[in-house]
Amino acid sequence: DTGVSQDPRHKITKRGQNVTFRCDPISEHNRLYWYRQTLGQGPEFLTYFQNEAQLEKSRLLSDRFSAERPKGSFSTLEIQRTEQGDSAMYLCASSLENSNTEAFFGQGTRLTVV
Amino acid sequence: DAKTTQPTSMDCAEGRAANLPCNHSTISGNEYVYWYRQIHSQGPQYIIHGLKNNETNEMASLIITEDRKSSTLILPHATLRDTAVYYCIVSNPRSYNTDKLIFGTGTRLQVFP
Repeated sequence: DTGVSQDPRHKITKRGQNVTFRCDPISEHNRLYWYRQTLGQGPEFLTYFQNEAQLEKSRLLSDRFSAERPKGSFSTLEIQRTEQGDSAMYLCASSLENSNTEAFFGQGTRLTVV
Repeated sequence: DAKTTQPTSMDCAEGRAANLPCNHSTISGNEYVYWYRQIHSQGPQYIIHGLKNNETNEMASLIITEDRKSSTLILPHATLRDTAVYYCIVSNPRSYNTDKLIFGTGTRLQVFP
C-alpha cells in the first residue's frame, strides 16, 4: 500500500464547469476525510465518511459540493458550477476507526478556476 | 474553530533543537494532542501524538504538561528539511463526531544554516 492517493494532482478549469476529484485511502482504513486549504491557511474540514456513510458535513460544503464513498473504499468529491473562490488545494485523509493512530493525508488536488 | 494556540512563526539554527509550543487549555480528558507538519505544496504529515505522557519517536519528542493545558514539540537536531508549518491539534480519535482534525494556522518554522 502506497498510502493515500489523490487524482488528479492538478486541475485547471473554467468558471462554471464541473470537476470531480478522486481519493483512494489506505486499504484497511474505514474513515475518510476531505479538507480544503487556501493559501496561508490551515486545512479546513469539509466532510467525513465512516465506511460508506457520510457522517458529517461542514457548513463550508455548499450545495454545489457533493461527496460520495459508494462502497466504503475510494471517494469522490464533485464541485458543480465552479467559481473562482473554489480555487484551493483539496486534501483527502484516511484513518482507522477506534484507534488512536494518526490520519494519513494524500498529496492533494490543486484546483485553479479561471 | 481550532482549540489550540501557537506562535505564528519561529526560527531555528540548523543542528539546534527546535522547541515549538502549543496551548490547549480547553482540552478534554479523552482528547489527544497531535502534531502534524506540512512542507510546502505537500499534504500534512503526521509527527507524533500523546495523551498525557511524554512521547518520543524517530522524528520528535512531545512534552505534555501535567495539567495537559500545553505541550511542546521538540525536534532535537533541526535540519533545513524541517522547514515547514507545524500544526498542533487536539482530537478524540475514538469519537465519531470529534475525531476530525481541526487545523489552526500553525507555526511556520524556518531552519537556517
